[in-house]
Amino acid sequence: QTVVTQEPSLTVSPGGTVTLTCASSTGAVTSGYYPNWFQQKRGQAPRALIYNTSHKHSWTPARFSGSLLGGKAALTLSRVQPEDEADYYCLLYFGALQVFGGGTKLTVL
Amino acid sequence: QVTLRESGPALVKPTQTLTLTCTFSGFSLSTSGMCVSWIRQPPGKPLEWLARIYWDDDKSYNTSLKTRLTISKDTSKNQVVLTMTNMDPVDTATYYCARTDGSAWNTDYWGQGTLVTVSS
Repeated sequence: QTVVTQEPSLTVSPGGTVTLTCASSTGAVTSGYYPNWFQQKRGQAPRALIYNTSHKHSWTPARFSGSLLGGKAALTLSRVQPEDEADYYCLLYFGALQVFGGGTKLTVL
Repeated sequence: QVTLRESGPALVKPTQTLTLTCTFSGFSLSTSGMCVSWIRQPPGKPLEWLARIYWDDDKSYNTSLKTRLTISKDTSKNQVVLTMTNMDPVDTATYYCARTDGSAWNTDYWGQGTLVTVSS
């Protein structure tokens, strides 16, 4: 059973920068896992932010960026805004299967 | 404009079979590379991928739930149906469908979700 691990919680100050990571129990995350990132606010459906490691959707704010960092997928938020407080999930594709990470609760304080 | 909407019973009894329908618009599931997935989220818990159906009718299932799940599509009606057998209270969750463009493994659009409670 493949497990995808994210930081359970992170706190960042408004205007600051924070990086969320996504690790795989199978080893280093590469672009071949096509990492996707999603934002979910309380009571809402997830919203797609990043696909294929670093590609943004037309609606993704410029302050969000995706990358690979130290064998993990990473989502970096720059110039953090209060409205960025949410749960963030990564998704990795393992061939026919796909696995979500456990999510990171981001607090803006 | 791409939209997806989940529909199905809000309440099912233990041991019953759940049938959920995802009705979508703005794309065709006969387009090469297109997929629709079902994902669920128990209250206060993370997302869990359940199943995916491809434009060519190929199907993939969560390994842990494979024996209980069946996914199918009706391209003419723009619908994807998920059935889950032998429902249990631990299956109480919000169930989402989402579109994936398999050419870039881009899961971009989600439905608003439907809450299913399993209780006698």
